[in-house]
Amino acid sequence: EAGVTQSPTHLIKTRGQQATLRCSPISGHTSVYWYQQALGLGLQFLLWYDEGEERNRGNFPPRFSGRQFPNYSSELNVNALELEDSALYLCASSLEPGTNYGYTFGSGTRLTVV
Amino acid sequence: GQSLEQPSEVTAVEGAIVQINCTYQTSGFYGLSWYQQHDGGAPTFLSYNALDGLEETGRFSSFLSRSDSYGYLLLQELQMKDSASYFCAVSESDYKLSFGAGTTVTVRA
Repeated sequence: EAGVTQSPTHLIKTRGQQATLRCSPISGHTSVYWYQQALGLGLQFLLWYDEGEERNRGNFPPRFSGRQFPNYSSELNVNALELEDSALYLCASSLEPGTNYGYTFGSGTRLTVV
Repeated sequence: GQSLEQPSEVTAVEGAIVQINCTYQTSGFYGLSWYQQHDGGAPTFLSYNALDGLEETGRFSSFLSRSDSYGYLLLQELQMKDSASYFCAVSESDYKLSFGAGTTVTVRA
C-alpha cells in the first residue's frame, strides 16, 4: 500500500511569489491535514480537509489556503511568500475524520524562500 | 492557548533506557500521542494513550497521568537507529493534534 506522497520534495521561491504544494493521501483515507514545521519548532497545524471541504484551519494568515479534490488529494497554496514561510510542510491522512489514534505523514516538502 | 513542554535534547549510550517527559496545558484533551522523526523526514506514529496508565509496544512504552497533565515515552534497550526526534502530541479535539517542539535523542556507541 502506497503511503502519503508529497510533491515536490524541495521548492525554492523568492519573496512575494506563490508556492503550490501537493499531497496524495493513503488510498481510502478521506481526511488530509497540513502542518508546518519550522526549524527547531514543533509541528504547527495549518488546515484540515475532509470530503472536499475545509473543516478547520490553524492560526495562519489567509494567504495560506488550499483545497481537496474529489480523489481526496490536496493542494496547499501559499501566496505572497515571506522569508519566515521557509519550513518543512507536512501532509498527513487518516482513515476517518477525527481519528487521532494515528496520522500517517508524508515526507514533506521543504520550502525555502529567498 | 496550548503549550506542551518536553526536553530539547537527551543523550544516552546503546543499551540504556531513556525517558522523555511531556507536560501539557491545552484547551481540550482526548489523548496523548508520540511520534518519531528521523532527520526531518516523515514523523511516524509510535503510541497513543487516552486513559491513565502504561502502554507497552516492544521496546517503547508510553505513560499518561491525566490528573497531572503529564506523560512520558520510555525507550528501552536503546539502539543506534533510535537516534531521532520524538514529539509528544495532544489531541485537543477529534481532529486536531497539537505537537510539542520535540526531543532530540542521540544514541552513542
